Amino acid sequence: KAGVTQTPRYLIKTRGQQVTLSCSPISGHRSVSWYQQTPGQGLQFLFEYFSETQRNKGNFPGRFSGRQFSNSRSEMNVSTLELGDSALYLCASSLGGLYNEQFFGPGTRLTVL
Amino acid sequence: DAKTTQPPSMDCAEGRAANLPCNHSTISGNEYVYWYRQIHSQGPQYIIHGLKNNETNEMASLIITEDRKSSTLILPHATLRDTAVYYCIVRVASNSGYALNFGKGTSLLVTP
Repeated sequence: KAGVTQTPRYLIKTRGQQVTLSCSPISGHRSVSWYQQTPGQGLQFLFEYFSETQRNKGNFPGRFSGRQFSNSRSEMNVSTLELGDSALYLCASSLGGLYNEQFFGPGTRLTVL
Repeated sequence: DAKTTQPPSMDCAEGRAANLPCNHSTISGNEYVYWYRQIHSQGPQYIIHGLKNNETNEMASLIITEDRKSSTLILPHATLRDTAVYYCIVRVASNSGYALNFGKGTSLLVTP
């Protein structure tokens, strides 16, 4: 089985721009979760989608949004980028959700200048 | 909200058991404890999870105290490839639903 894939792997944006990141889960997995990882805050949960519905959401501002398509692929969007949004964005997929084993992708490294 | 506390770093000699502690004193009765690890430049990898009883799989053992306020992840024979950041996680309430916050974990260095 192919693993979780994320595109692009690296991205450079400037303040005020918006960005869309993509995640393709393992075939058959209906849950996709997104995380932000920074040296200062560690690994923090953004949100989880299951069957195209957002099921859980972390404490991030509304600039961070996501969606999931009928094939379980997911996108995450960050609008009005700030310097502090520079981070590694990880997505993970699982069969049933947050409380099942999650399989992580390699991440997208976003740099905001 | 249940939170976890882990030491920031630990060392272990290759071939010895690595015992990684985690405090989760505010955990509720029906919440699981999860352990993941992250090897440098890779996404986190699931290790094990448990509720009350001790658990063992091919990677590790998880010992949960009777009062469930703390747990220990045991790597029985650490190898150099076990050098990684280890995260102890419980579910926490968030603005909408729940979240699994990994925090900063314990950086384990296995030395030859």
